[in-house]
Amino acid sequence: DQQVKQNSPSLSVQEGRISILNCDYTNSMFDYFLWYKKYPAEGPTFLISISSIKDKNEDGRFTVFLNKSAKHLSLHIVPSQPGDSAVYFCAASAGDSGSARQLTFGSGTQLTVLP
Amino acid sequence: NAGVTQTPKFRVLKTGQSMTLLCAQDMNHEYMYWYRQDPGMGLRLIHYSVGEGTTAKGEVPDGYNVSRLKKQNFLLGLESAAPSQTSVYFCASRSGVVGYTFGSGTRLTVV
Repeated sequence: DQQVKQNSPSLSVQEGRISILNCDYTNSMFDYFLWYKKYPAEGPTFLISISSIKDKNEDGRFTVFLNKSAKHLSLHIVPSQPGDSAVYFCAASAGDSGSARQLTFGSGTQLTVLP
Repeated sequence: NAGVTQTPKFRVLKTGQSMTLLCAQDMNHEYMYWYRQDPGMGLRLIHYSVGEGTTAKGEVPDGYNVSRLKKQNFLLGLESAAPSQTSVYFCASRSGVVGYTFGSGTRLTVV
């Protein structure tokens, strides 16, 4: 049973427009959510995170929105650039400060930004 | 400023062979993790460690063993490789609540 789901395997957007990547989760114990960007032959690179006590977090062109009641989060990239083309993973963790806090990942969304 | 280093980067094994993947971090992190990534799937946790001398099973531990004899190193072993273990393996370490750093991966093919 997938606890973190990314239902769109791929997304294409025009350069300069907004990219919206979606993620759903089922485990109500998750208290932190993270987005990673991954290029081929590289490890995941951290983009942005959000705590479950917030509903929005912004960092430059990247904004993450969290809707706890719907168990849904989204990553907005504005404006999208060709260099943003990569696989984006949503991940979640749970636990107290001394726990392992292993990440549970979604299956990823391939974003292609067209020039 | 190396972060998390994984060796080797590529390896081809024959079914039944054994090997060890090495993960080294220079950030003095307590927590370390081994994940595998298969096509169309997210990263899945194999084993993890909350400190030197400790290890625990993750979501997909069968066929793997791990050791954390030194704080900076986390080793992943395959005792008898199977084609189902063909995958890309990622190591990560963590500081704070969300401070995960991933290595660049090891691409393993078992034939």
